[in-house]
Amino acid sequence: DAGVIQSPRHEVTEMGQEVTLRCKPISGHNSLFWYRQTMMRGLELLIYFNNNVPIDDSGMPEDRFSAKMPNASFSTLKIQPSEPRDSAVYFCASSFGTYQPQHFGDGTRLSIL
Amino acid sequence: GQQVMQIPQYQHVQEGEDFTTYCNSSTTLSNIQWYKQRPGGHPVFLIQLVKSGEVKKQKRLTFQFGEAKKNSSLHITATQTTDVGTYFCAGQGGANNLFFGTGTRLTVIP
Repeated sequence: DAGVIQSPRHEVTEMGQEVTLRCKPISGHNSLFWYRQTMMRGLELLIYFNNNVPIDDSGMPEDRFSAKMPNASFSTLKIQPSEPRDSAVYFCASSFGTYQPQHFGDGTRLSIL
Repeated sequence: GQQVMQIPQYQHVQEGEDFTTYCNSSTTLSNIQWYKQRPGGHPVFLIQLVKSGEVKKQKRLTFQFGEAKKNSSLHITATQTTDVGTYFCAGQGGANNLFFGTGTRLTVIP
């Protein structure tokens, strides 16, 4: 079975550039979550979707971050413009419902220079 | 807001020794989940506890949910090098999101 697929696995870019992270959830899962992980702040929930609708985006740091889920099999997290403090590992996870166990992708390791 | 605290932050044990990590919530939880993240990997779901006082076992791992549903623990008996990683609890209260604890990083010395 295919798990949650994220791309790219690694991204290195200069500050000010636009960064787009992609996620394909497990087929049939109706909840999708974006997390950010750093040594200082641990694992933080940025936003989550139920049935493609954003439910809670209170974790999104600021207006430079945006997320979309145009259909049940695809989501993007965009940072524009990027800053060095955005450097982190970004995980996407999906589940059958908000209360169900979450399945994480391998993450995108983002470095902003 | 809801907070989930986890202790200790780090734990070094000799292979064969036991290990326990504790999770405490500021509010009553509807359920608690435990995840393991290997170095360089992603969190992997281990188990979910729902009932007050619930105890579940997975081989050498024992998970417990407190009677008040505000705390939980994970105990590993006779650690092995394969147990290395960071263990996260994640609590969910009512209709809230899943709040991940700060994690306990376990190092096992062979």
